[in-house]
This record gives sequence, C-alpha cells and structure tokens, in this order.
Amino acid sequence: AQSVTQLGSHVSVSEGALVLLRCNYSSSVPPYLFWYVQYPNQGLQLLLKYTSAATLVKGINGFEAEFKKSETSFHLTKPSAHMSDAAEYFCAVIYPGGSNYKLTFGKGTLLTVNP
Amino acid sequence: DGGITQSPKYLFRKEGQNVTLSCEQNLNHDAMYWYRQDPGQGLRLIYYSQIVNDFQKGDIAEGYSVSREKKESFPLTVTSAQKNPTAFYLCASSTGNSPRDIQYFGAGTRLSVL
Repeated sequence: AQSVTQLGSHVSVSEGALVLLRCNYSSSVPPYLFWYVQYPNQGLQLLLKYTSAATLVKGINGFEAEFKKSETSFHLTKPSAHMSDAAEYFCAVIYPGGSNYKLTFGKGTLLTVNP
Repeated sequence: DGGITQSPKYLFRKEGQNVTLSCEQNLNHDAMYWYRQDPGQGLRLIYYSQIVNDFQKGDIAEGYSVSREKKESFPLTVTSAQKNPTAFYLCASSTGNSPRDIQYFGAGTRLSVL
C-alpha cells in the first residue's frame, strides 16, 4: 500500500538554525512528492513538489527538498529558520500509474522556532 | 480572486443530526476532494470527484455522503452514522489532468459535537 513516513512529529529549532524535516516513501517506483505547510486553523499551502525532473527542488519561503532514490527520501530543509516558519508540515505522495490522483499524506511534523 | 471557499468556518452537530459542509471553487477545476484531519493523523481522504455527477469513496467514507451536481460545488454531509465526527475538514481541488497537478485547499471547517 502507498505510504509516506514523516520521522518526528515535533521538531524544535532556534531562530537562524537549520531546519530539517524528514520524509520517506515506500515504493520501488519513484512517486510524485509534495511538501505542504499548514498554519494554525488554516488550509494547506504547497511549498514545493518533485515530479521526476531535477532532484533538488526549490520552493517558496526559502525551503528546498532533495529527492534521493537510493534512500527513498524527500527531506525538507531551510538553511536559517525564521519565527514565521512555525507551522505544521506535511509530506504527501502520489504514485503514478494509478487510476486516480489520490494524495497520501504523512502524519505531519510540527515545527517550533524558538527566539 | 480565484480560490476555494469553505463554509461555515465552525459547525456544531447535535446527536443524531446530519450536517452539510459547503465547498465552492472558482478555479474551473474538474477534480475535488474532501479530507478529514485529526491531530497527529495527517489528512485522510473521505471522498473525491474527478468530474461532475461522479464521485468515489476514499479511505474513510463511512458515515459521509457527497454530491457533485455542479463543477464548482462539492458539498459533504456528515450523517448521524458517523459516530466520531469531531475533526477539521478540508476541501481541495485540482485540474484533474495529471497526477502531478497541485491540489489547492480551502481554509477548512471545524466540526464539533454538542
């Protein structure tokens, strides 16, 4: 079954520190991968997506993610955290070749940024 | 502005009552989706529709129903059969042309039981 795992339900960093949020998928066929961000009591906003082009994907707000097939990973990073980055982050996958375009979400990682 | 509008923002349900959550989009998207979000659970798909007058069950459809009579509208009814309806409900849409398409989300409806 399609699945995606986010390691760490809560990550805490200091302002200015590196942000690393982990995401692993479970398939031998590379899926399409997405990172979404959710601010409190709001919907989800797309940060970036991987669709089999460049393995290093740049998104909004200074975030980027690298697709590593050998590790079945798509970790999200930002060199320097800002207070406004505090939110919940979701990794999601779609496996190509299916009959529908159903997104499967990870359980989310809550990012806290300390001053 | 183009986007997805969900209403109401907050909704309360009494025991045995059906309630309907509204989702409207003006993005001219063919595909629409309903997700349920519980703390620590991520988002789970309830129903989706790839075209008007057609919809399919997602992973947790029991106790819910939908209709898709118009391209821009995809209301979700939480029936009395759904015994644990308290959650945050999110509607999304996409063009439906490709699995690489981005899904755009509304701001959500928070449903609570009285």
